[in-house]
Amino acid sequence: DQQVKQNSPSLSVQEGRISILNCDYTNSMFDYFLWYKKYPAEGPTFLISISSIKDKNEDGRFTVFLNKSAKHLSLHIVPSQPGDSAVYFCAASHLHYSNYQLIWGAGTKLIIKP
Amino acid sequence: DTAVSQTPKYLVTQMGNDKSIKCEQNLGHDTMYWYKQDSKKFLKIMFSYNNKELIINETVPNRFSPKSPDKAHLNLHINSLELGDSAVYFCASSQVGPPSSYNSPLHFGNGTRLTVT
Repeated sequence: DQQVKQNSPSLSVQEGRISILNCDYTNSMFDYFLWYKKYPAEGPTFLISISSIKDKNEDGRFTVFLNKSAKHLSLHIVPSQPGDSAVYFCAASHLHYSNYQLIWGAGTKLIIKP
Repeated sequence: DTAVSQTPKYLVTQMGNDKSIKCEQNLGHDTMYWYKQDSKKFLKIMFSYNNKELIINETVPNRFSPKSPDKAHLNLHINSLELGDSAVYFCASSQVGPPSSYNSPLHFGNGTRLTVT
């Protein structure tokens, strides 16, 4: 029962262009969402998060958008750089559902082409 | 000076053996976790320790036992290893539980790839 879905296993984007990674969730109780980035042979590292009271959060080249009615969030990276090539995980949580433990998507592998 | 370090990085062993994975964090965090990344790449929490007390014990076989000698260490012992235990195991920590707040993101180790033959 996948409650957090990242339907694109991989995404290839030209350097300098915008990368858009998508994430869908099924449980309307989720109220906090995070993106983590993972390089090969390393653990995931926190990238950016958003609370359900917001619909946008921006941090430098990274912006996360949340559409609660569609149960959808996306991560935008502008402009994309070669160092952005990694696997990106979407995660969600809610106090009463999961005691704030994170429910993870399967990840999307982003490849930035030079 | 790695923030969250786990050893070994690779572990190959036979069915039925008992093995341990060690984890240490030097971030001064209060909460530590063990996650399992399965063959489908999903990260699933196994255990969480806050100040040496177990606060989450998800549905994992009791062959898996976490041991926390102090706040900076959380080791994972696995008895009677089975083929299905093959996975990558990640240790993580956060400043305070729960790990989802902006000010308390998870910090992960680099993982231990366990292969049971």
